[in-house]
Amino acid sequence: QKEVEQDPGPLSVPEGAIVSLNCTYSNSAFQYFMWYRQYSRKGPELLMYTYSSGNKEDGRFTAQVDKSSKYISLFIRDSQPSDSATYLCAMRLSGGYQKVTFGTGTKLQVIP
Amino acid sequence: ETGVTQSPTHLIKTRGQQVTLRCSSQSGHNTVSWYQQALGQGPQFIFQYYREEENGRGNFPPRFSGLQFPNYSSELNVNALELDDSALYLCASSEGPGNTEAFFGQGTRLTVV
Repeated sequence: QKEVEQDPGPLSVPEGAIVSLNCTYSNSAFQYFMWYRQYSRKGPELLMYTYSSGNKEDGRFTAQVDKSSKYISLFIRDSQPSDSATYLCAMRLSGGYQKVTFGTGTKLQVIP
Repeated sequence: ETGVTQSPTHLIKTRGQQVTLRCSSQSGHNTVSWYQQALGQGPQFIFQYYREEENGRGNFPPRFSGLQFPNYSSELNVNALELDDSALYLCASSEGPGNTEAFFGQGTRLTVV
């Protein structure tokens, strides 16, 4: 069993829809939870990160962490064709060592 | 642009050969991590360098090695290439080993034939 599970999709939505992307994990010691966006032939780009449980909002993006369920989500409101990319969840322990464990990524297509 | 550059962008090697991939970090970033991303998978952590010393390693064999230099450049070396080493190799730089905000380069696509 992988430490981080993520539905690979693909996920197709119409422009303007609310998108929900999710990951589950097995290591209860994870403390930092990140979401990356990766366009084709590019490196991942950090969208936002959350420490421990709770919500965080940045523009059209909202990240949620539920440590009791070992479940994290990223919501995208008013989705745009430019949001079409692969979204990777990632997480790591606290402390000075920065090994990051990634999910497999969910491919999102926003159709105009 | 992240300010992190990798070279070359594409590379084809023969099984058994050795390869060196290069990364130029953002100025001031003393930490670099290397990842292997197979097609359709998330990046897998190879190792991290902090102030020119290996600071941690993932589940990769010793034929994967690295160097970090004082001028914010670093290298990933892979010996005795295998077909399964074909992947996108990514480096990510940050201001410190505990800093969550890491910036990735565009990657080097390695194909082993």
